[in-house]
Amino acid sequence: EPEVTQTPSHQVTQMGQEVILRCVPISNHLYFYWYRQILGQKVEFLVSFYNNEISEKSEIFDDQFSVERPDGSNFTLKIRSTKLEDSAMYFCASSGRQKKNTGELFFGEGSRLTVL
Amino acid sequence: SQKIEQNSEALNIQEGKTATLTCNYTNYSPAYLQWYRQDPGRGPVFLLLIRENEKEKRKERLKVTFDTTLKQSLFHITASQPADSATYLCAIFGNEKLTFGTGTRLTIIP
Repeated sequence: EPEVTQTPSHQVTQMGQEVILRCVPISNHLYFYWYRQILGQKVEFLVSFYNNEISEKSEIFDDQFSVERPDGSNFTLKIRSTKLEDSAMYFCASSGRQKKNTGELFFGEGSRLTVL
Repeated sequence: SQKIEQNSEALNIQEGKTATLTCNYTNYSPAYLQWYRQDPGRGPVFLLLIRENEKEKRKERLKVTFDTTLKQSLFHITASQPADSATYLCAIFGNEKLTFGTGTRLTIIP
């Protein structure tokens, strides 16, 4: 069964360093998302991406964050200068054209980011 | 402001009984409402979607109801098993994003 894959599964970084989290969405999907979950808290929307541009972003997704689809398969989230409060699990998700209006998302297993 | 609230943060149910989880929303008019399961340290997994014109939807031991007047959805697991222990999330899709509720951590006690 097709799945969303994310790398790395865990990354430890120093405050102020840049981090890139990578995702390979399901191959025929067109809509891509990043979510984050701080330990013990709810799953929060960061950004949605379609047709090579951002469709929607949350207040969390400030100038420190960026997303890119550098080729036909990868979808990346970059945090330019990490802060302690960026420590969280980051989930990538994707959705196909047939689910555009209903928004059923397929999630990856997450990348745990720890900022020291 | 828009809110999706799941009343119980945690729920303990005896194995074999029916677990009922509640999701209430405010300032949304969703055409669809979804339920996901999340296991510790893992991503959410889609379970069921119910449309606004459907009162009830079933899938195996799962049943979801959707009351647009009460602005509420109920999620039932019948004949619950320890393997059903997880966090269950309700979610509404709109404005190009899926917004999750706070989640209910369900524990099925053998």
